[in-house]
Amino acid sequence: DTEVTQTPKHLVMGMTNKKSLKCEQHMGHRAMYWYKQKAKKPPELMFVYSYEKLSINESVPSRFSPECPNSSLLNLHLHALQPEDSALYLCASSQVSLGTQYFGPGTRLLVL
Amino acid sequence: QQQVKQSPQSLIVQKGGISIINCAYENTAFDYFPWYQQFPGKGPALLIAIRPDVSEKKEGRFTISFNKSAKQFSLHIMDSQPGDSATYFCAASPPGGKLIFGQGTELSVKP
Repeated sequence: DTEVTQTPKHLVMGMTNKKSLKCEQHMGHRAMYWYKQKAKKPPELMFVYSYEKLSINESVPSRFSPECPNSSLLNLHLHALQPEDSALYLCASSQVSLGTQYFGPGTRLLVL
Repeated sequence: QQQVKQSPQSLIVQKGGISIINCAYENTAFDYFPWYQQFPGKGPALLIAIRPDVSEKKEGRFTISFNKSAKQFSLHIMDSQPGDSATYFCAASPPGGKLIFGQGTELSVKP
């Protein structure tokens, strides 16, 4: 089973709101990722967690705050986003850091 | 040197035909080359992957051809079906390194 689940599927938020995206995997993978994908573009890496520790932050603005409560869960906390942050946010996991990655279905985020 | 160049940007193929998508890279340290298939509104799904110790890998109707000397790899979809219509991304990574994606190819298979 190579399933990564993400909630919610869709999210609309204002620029002053605080919201969170959630990602879960039960494959025993020890690395988890957040990507951002704009329409007709490839995914862009945002963060990598390895063994529940943040190992890569691709210079993402502080209005995006990742959290890894345990090896199966990954959250992305959102605060004071801008309309240009509207995108598909993808979670992925891999058995080891930067190994073969399996993606979730994504959360479609719209910032008004 | 970290780029992966993918072509064509879009492709229209008749049902039953062969779809061919090409990718080229510069970094000789890359040692893992996956292909992802993405349907609208969905996340990318790993389709097939290859390492440079083999020149070809086949899984069902999908084949990766790899040319190490030319630093090129390609995806062939045999007997293309309308259900194959999706965006395809090639990618590459060095050992322990980040995935570098191509820009994507939008494939449309006409019935």
